[in-house]
Amino acid sequence: ETGVTQTPRHLVMGMTNKKSLKCEQHLGHNAMYWYKQSAKKPLELMFVYSLEERVENNSVPSRFSPECPNSSHLFLHLHTLQPEDSALYLCASSQGWVAGEETQYFGPGTRLLVL
Amino acid sequence: GENVEQHPSTLSVQEGDSAVIKCTYSDSASNYFPWYKQELGKRPQLIIDIRSNVGEKKDQRIAVTLNKTAKHFSLHITETQPEDSAVYFCAATTNTGGFKTIFGAGTRLFVKA
Repeated sequence: ETGVTQTPRHLVMGMTNKKSLKCEQHLGHNAMYWYKQSAKKPLELMFVYSLEERVENNSVPSRFSPECPNSSHLFLHLHTLQPEDSALYLCASSQGWVAGEETQYFGPGTRLLVL
Repeated sequence: GENVEQHPSTLSVQEGDSAVIKCTYSDSASNYFPWYKQELGKRPQLIIDIRSNVGEKKDQRIAVTLNKTAKHFSLHITETQPEDSAVYFCAATTNTGGFKTIFGAGTRLFVKA
């Protein structure tokens, strides 16, 4: 349960605020992911990083800006968000993203509310 | 675009009965299919997965079957217990020529004691 941690666990922000979500993994993995989980919608993959390089960006609005300074840490910088961005943001990590390495382990998530 | 359809959205079974959840994917290049269990207020946790070169995999009371031709895979839980109550998500992952994973909308399973 402590392999992937996320802070903060809860965040309330106004539309003009700037905030950052942090994810840290202690599993020695090389790939990290950001997901958005909204009510009554499937989990949506936002970003994929492997060895600190972005592998995939699934057409996410520019108000979400990821940063991966090393293979253990992943950030999601937020600015000028909209109320519809309110959701649970989940971080995950895996050994890699190629075949045989892609099993993902999730963090507990950050519950974000945009007012 | 590519998608994964998951059915049913809600499933209620009696303790001891079996539960089956089905998913259909559209991307024929998908080659990895994990299943996650998410209890209320908790993180998704992998319960079983299957790769495209395998037709069936079993782990105690849980099994997954894959039909690549039909682009269809299913989760089977036997001898259900109240602690199996949760939301279950399927996913289809493609990791050739980039990385893509698409989740189903989830199935809320209730196991009645």
